[in-house]
Amino acid sequence: DIQMTQSPSSMSASLGDRVTITCQASQDIGNNLIWFQQKPGKSPRPMIYYATNLANGVPSRFSGSRSGSDYSLTISSLESEDMADYHCLQYKQYPYTFGAGTKLELK
Amino acid sequence: QVQLQQSGAELVKPGSSVKISCKASGYTFTSYDMHWIKQQPGNGLEWIGWIYPGNGNTKYNQKFNGKATLTADKSSSTAYMQLSSLTSEDSAVYFCARGRFITIAAISTWNWFAYWGQGTLVTVSS
Repeated sequence: DIQMTQSPSSMSASLGDRVTITCQASQDIGNNLIWFQQKPGKSPRPMIYYATNLANGVPSRFSGSRSGSDYSLTISSLESEDMADYHCLQYKQYPYTFGAGTKLELK
Repeated sequence: QVQLQQSGAELVKPGSSVKISCKASGYTFTSYDMHWIKQQPGNGLEWIGWIYPGNGNTKYNQKFNGKATLTADKSSSTAYMQLSSLTSEDSAVYFCARGRFITIAAISTWNWFAYWGQGTLVTVSS
């Protein structure tokens, strides 16, 4: 199975901060990666498709990038509504696998 | 509008089985596959598999072979997941999520995983 190593597992940041969350793939997955946001008690919501494409309705402060096997989700200027868990998902190969998640909290 | 309505929370005994439902509305049920995802308390997400209601084809995460069985009823636009031989490790929230758009000509991942059920909590306890 492809392992997705997500970091950090948790982080705290201040409003207005630039925040970056990373997933490293154990094998080549191309750009076959989705980033999800999940708020407490809610279902996940896709934020970024195909590693770099913003999903419908997602604010432009969110962006996705790739450098080799490292995939990043960046929030350019943190807002209070961005406090949530974030997950990456690879779908290059079965079984699809998620990163362990990042809990983003307000400092 | 697209909606996925899952069945309610379940409290079940070890060794038993449970069947969770996911009723779809607002789109053509047989045109999209349906994925199932597990989330244990405080843990990350785990992909279980998908079913394509158009023909009943399935794909499982091998880890869930023998544990999860995915079915779909076209007449009621409802997808099901049965979990068997339950242990405490199966206590989790289970989600359904609409997947790929599938036609004879092509498969599209546009906007997939955009629609999820609200989740069904399964608690395995004696």
